[in-house]
Amino acid sequence: AQSVSQHNHHVILSEAASLELGCNYSYGGTVNLFWYVQYPGQHLQLLLKYFSGDPLVKGIKGFEAEFIKSKFSFNLRKPSVQWSDTAEYFCAVYTGRRALTFGSGTRLQVQP
Amino acid sequence: EPEVTQTPSHQVTQMGQEVILRCVPISNHLYFYWYRQILGQKVEFLVSFYNNEISEKSEIFDDQFSVERPDGSNFTLKIRSTKLEDSAMYFCASSEQSSWETQYFGPGTRLLVL
Repeated sequence: AQSVSQHNHHVILSEAASLELGCNYSYGGTVNLFWYVQYPGQHLQLLLKYFSGDPLVKGIKGFEAEFIKSKFSFNLRKPSVQWSDTAEYFCAVYTGRRALTFGSGTRLQVQP
Repeated sequence: EPEVTQTPSHQVTQMGQEVILRCVPISNHLYFYWYRQILGQKVEFLVSFYNNEISEKSEIFDDQFSVERPDGSNFTLKIRSTKLEDSAMYFCASSEQSSWETQYFGPGTRLLVL
């Protein structure tokens, strides 16, 4: 069965620091990849997605992610974080079965 | 922008009671889903629904759970006899034309079983 690993459970950064959150998945076939964000008290919102084509995808609010097929990875990046980026970030994979499989989430805390 | 909505936002119930969680998917979407997130754990898939029937379900979705689309807009999750371990945040989601597409999530219903 497919699985998703997010290795960083809690990340604390200062404003303007660069961010990279790791996501690895285990599945050998075709995948659609997603990053969702959950701001405090709000619901899951789509940050960005990869279906096919350019492996570097850009999302909202200056986020981007790179799909590296050989590493089964889809890491999320942002060059300069803001206090408003404080949230929980979820990587998710769709393989055609069992709907979305989520990682355990990474709680990002940005200190002003 | 169209959104998935869910009611109620919070529900407290006694163990053994039935609860119905309601969702209104985005109007032109055809695929509907329920997920749950127990506090401190991963978001887990429960069930997907297409063309008025269940298309997939997880091991969690046992006989205590059922889903229904009673009319053209609502999509409900019923738990017949709640257990303490059913306490969780329940998310509804929908996608437009296929399950390969982006799923849009509702704000969730926080269920507490006492």
